[in-house]
Amino acid sequence: KNQVEQSPQSLIILEGKNCTLQCNYTVSPFSNLRWYKQDTGRGPVSLTIMTFSENTKSNGRYTATLDADTKQSSLHITASQLSDSASYICVVSGAEQAGTALIFGKGTTLSVSS
Amino acid sequence: DTEVTQTPKHLVMGMTNKKSLKCEQHMGHRAMYWYKQKAKKPPELMFVYSYEKLSINESVPSRFSPECPNSSLLNLHLHALQPEDSALYLCASSQLSAETQYFGPGTRLLVL
Repeated sequence: KNQVEQSPQSLIILEGKNCTLQCNYTVSPFSNLRWYKQDTGRGPVSLTIMTFSENTKSNGRYTATLDADTKQSSLHITASQLSDSASYICVVSGAEQAGTALIFGKGTTLSVSS
Repeated sequence: DTEVTQTPKHLVMGMTNKKSLKCEQHMGHRAMYWYKQKAKKPPELMFVYSYEKLSINESVPSRFSPECPNSSLLNLHLHALQPEDSALYLCASSQLSAETQYFGPGTRLLVL
């Protein structure tokens, strides 16, 4: 069964600290993996997208890694800011098809406090 | 223009009302999507339009009726909704079906 599991479910960190969010997937065949940031009541915003051959990709203070062999990905946030408080969703695309090939994780809720 | 816009931002409707949600993008994307998202849950796919044709309908009740008048616009017509249909409705678009999807801000719908 195609699944995307994220951990932890929620996380609280102090401003300025680093954190790492995890994503494990069982989707096959694999096309790409994306990390989205979603603020409460808003639409998700794409942070990174990685294909099978990519191991790491950065977007400012966000760095995503992908291990296609173990089917694991991580999102590392450096020097966290209050504005990083949001839900982070891992989305795996299972084939070159629209829509149903996208498997969403349940997200990790990050709270950054001062 | 690199954004997806949605109107209205908020909508309150009764179970006998007819209303429409609108979505627009001017990025030249040829795939457009409707999602439904309940609180603290990931988005659930409802419909996919590819080249203005409905390509996927995820067994959505007929009280939701999508329409794609042209390559930039996507509507979702609502009729006889139930209170459990209250949710955030997200529109997204992508260049091609397997590309990164760009999401709109959503319409917060409350059915009374």
